[in-house]
Amino acid sequence: GAVVSQHPSWVICKSGTSVKIECRSLDFQATTMFWYRQFPKQSLMLMATSNEGSKATYEQGVEKDKFLINHASLTLSTLTVTSAHPEDSSFYICSATPGQGNNSPLHFGNGTRLTVT
Amino acid sequence: AQSVAQPEDQVNVAEGNPLTVKCTYSVSGNPYLFWYVQYPNRGLQFLLKYITGDNLVKGSYGFEAEFNKSQTSFHLKKPSALVSDSALYFCAVRGVYGQNFVFGPGTRLSVLP
Repeated sequence: GAVVSQHPSWVICKSGTSVKIECRSLDFQATTMFWYRQFPKQSLMLMATSNEGSKATYEQGVEKDKFLINHASLTLSTLTVTSAHPEDSSFYICSATPGQGNNSPLHFGNGTRLTVT
Repeated sequence: AQSVAQPEDQVNVAEGNPLTVKCTYSVSGNPYLFWYVQYPNRGLQFLLKYITGDNLVKGSYGFEAEFNKSQTSFHLKKPSALVSDSALYFCAVRGVYGQNFVFGPGTRLSVLP
């Protein structure tokens, strides 16, 4: 149980275009989902917390107008990288937890490798 | 503020030998501690967690971790390493008051045949 599906697994786009990444909880409902960014050989950096039915909470230094997050249902959150540039190339991972308690582990999607040319 | 340290960037171990991946943490109040494994170009997979109770926690794929409150550590262990255990391992902490998960920098484990 507790499967998180992320799509696409990889995408190549041209500079200036926008890319949408989907994150779905397949067998549970998630009022909150988390979006991370991972640079090569580095740890996860929390970008934002996606809240179903309300605005996302962005971490300091993350541009909310560039990284648009929508959490329209209890099983789907989307991250749109707008006007992408080569420096946005990275590995993006979403996660969610099926439990309500603070001791529930996060379950992760398989990530999306974004390459901006 | 919460923090997690994984003092070793890389751990090398021979197949069949025991392995240890170290983790220390800092958090307000009691911690919830987690270990995850990441294979190339994949998301993180949950291995095990410590909530309360026994200090030795058993998880997936034969891994276990020992919580030591006085040393604020949560080291990951396995009695006999497999080549397939080679991956990137992350320790994470969350406080009981519901703070965000904080991940360590990761430790790359290489198990040599």
